Order: sequence, then structure tokens, then C-alpha cells
Amino acid sequence: SYVLTQPPSVSVAPGQTASIPCGGSNLETKSVHWYQQRPGQAPMMVVSRDTDRPSGIPDRFSGSKSGSTATLTISGVDAGDDAVYFCQVWDGTIDHPVFGGGTMLTVL
Amino acid sequence: QVQLVQSGAEVKNPGASLKVSCKATGYTFTAYYIHWVRQAPGRGLEWLGWINPNRGDTKFPQTFQGRITMTRDKSTLTTHLDLSGLRPDDTAVYFCARFSSNYYYFDNWGQGTLVSVSS
Repeated sequence: SYVLTQPPSVSVAPGQTASIPCGGSNLETKSVHWYQQRPGQAPMMVVSRDTDRPSGIPDRFSGSKSGSTATLTISGVDAGDDAVYFCQVWDGTIDHPVFGGGTMLTVL
Repeated sequence: QVQLVQSGAEVKNPGASLKVSCKATGYTFTAYYIHWVRQAPGRGLEWLGWINPNRGDTKFPQTFQGRITMTRDKSTLTTHLDLSGLRPDDTAVYFCARFSSNYYYFDNWGQGTLVSVSS
């Protein structure tokens, strides 16, 4: 089955830029979506379709993709960005979503 | 605005059955599939399946075949997840999520329902 690989954790100092990668085979052929999950809350989409930002999401959040790796970038991080971030694609061969394992972002 | 409101926390014994509900408001109920996803403590997101609220058809991963059922009630705008033969490793937060069939993402989520399975 299709696998998305994320690092378990990323740490960054306040005000700096965090980059969270998500790798998968033939990822260039799939749309990648990113979700933020704060402790005790449901996931919330922060980037859709590789690079789009849903309404209400600050422009500090951006997405990119190159080859088999998609990246969520958060600039000027603050304590409110402390959360787990998941990437997600749709696997059309088996007709269901695939989630990455999640990356815990810690703002030092 | 779009809202998915789930039923409350449950504590179950091993072998029991579970029913979690998800009530949709703020959009046309039959226009969007609902997926269910769960998250065990400290773990990632595990997909449980989807239901088409219009026709009622469903799809589940192989690992849950025979144990899981999803239904919908158009009169109350509610979808239900039923899971039988509960085991301690079914302990998790269960989420419903609205799915965009145009873009293949989840644009709204329920608040989650904590289910604890323990003797």
C-alpha cells in the first residue's frame, strides 16, 4: 500500500522558519494536503492541493513540492504553531486516503 | 457555517459494540461523503471508511471488514459509525470528516469522540 513518510519531530526557535517534509513514491502525480492538529483538537487543513491556503489560514503557512517530496513551511513560528502536522494524499488505486505518520513541531 | 457535531465519549468493555454519531449542519447533507478516521493515543490517523450520504453506499479497509458498519439518516442529517467486537486496541479518538470529492481532501472535521475499551 502507498506510504507517506514524515519525520517524527521538528524543533525550531520562535520567529524562525520550520520546514516539514513529506515523502512518497510518485508524489509528483498526487495532490498533497496538510493538516494541523493542536493537542486535544481535531485536525484542520492548512494547505491544500500542494500550495493552496484555505480561507483564514495565515500566509505564514505555505506548501511546495519537488519530485517525491512535499514540504510544509511555516515562517515566523510562534508558540501557537506547536502542533502535529500531517500530510495526506488520495490513493486512487485502492480508492482511499493515505496519511503521513505526522510530525510534531516544537517551538523551543 | 459547516459543522459536524459528534456524540459524546464512551467507555466500553471488550467484546461490546460501539455506535458514534456525527450530525451535519450548514451544508447540503447529501452532497459530500463522510469519512471516519481514528487516532489511538499518541499515534497517527487511521482511516476507517466512508459513507455516501446520498445513496448510503460504503467502503471500508480490509482490516475492518465484518466489524464495521456505517449508516446515515437523511431526516436528521446524521451519519453513524458502528464497530463491533471491541478490543483494547480500539481505544482511540474517533473523528468524522467531510470529504471534498473534487479535490480529495477533508475540509471540515467533527470534534472527535473518545472511546475507551477496557475491562
